[in-house]
Amino acid sequence: AQTVTQSQPEMSVQEAETVTLSCTYDTSESDYYLFWYKQPPSRQMILVIRQEAYKQQNATENRFSVNFQKAAKSFSLKISDSQLGDAAMYFCAYRAQKNAGGTSYGKLTFGQGTILTVHP
Amino acid sequence: KAGVTQTPRYLIKTRGQQVTLSCSPISGHRSVSWYQQTPGQGLQFLFEYFSETQRNKGNFPGRFSGRQFSNSRSEMNVSTLELGDSALYLCASSWTGFTNTEAFFGQGTRLTVV
Repeated sequence: AQTVTQSQPEMSVQEAETVTLSCTYDTSESDYYLFWYKQPPSRQMILVIRQEAYKQQNATENRFSVNFQKAAKSFSLKISDSQLGDAAMYFCAYRAQKNAGGTSYGKLTFGQGTILTVHP
Repeated sequence: KAGVTQTPRYLIKTRGQQVTLSCSPISGHRSVSWYQQTPGQGLQFLFEYFSETQRNKGNFPGRFSGRQFSNSRSEMNVSTLELGDSALYLCASSWTGFTNTEAFFGQGTRLTVV
């Protein structure tokens, strides 16, 4: 079974600074997708960034970028120029690409989350 | 375009009762997945429906069930509620539920069992 681990329960950063959130995962699959989701106090999960495992290039979305190390099964999120609105719980998630036995339909496996605080 | 809508937002129920939660996906989305979020267990996958059929199921007891209607709206039902069922229940919709389609989440239903 796939597992996702976020070893940092809480992180903090000063406004305008850069912060990196860590995530490791375990899978025997070679093809899969990795995601970072943000959950603000409103509770709605918002997709921040997505990485396809077959792509070597790290994904980037404006101030958000990832460091994807497939061999090490590591997937960290870097937030540059942090803003007060970035404060939230961040979840790393895994989704398998192959769908043997229908076990992948609609299923995301999440890490435990990292609470990010942004100080003005 | 309207997002994923979950109703009600908050529920308080008594042990032993049953509860039904509703999720209306984004228009055109045919896949709906349900998740339970608790401080102790985090986010756990309950089940996924596509075109009125359950295609995938997580490791939850049979007290947790769901269904999907022809308009893709989904309901989940929890019978014989236990204190441990207190959680935030999130639903997510996507076009197909396949890996290359983004899942959009609702704001969740906060269930408290007393």
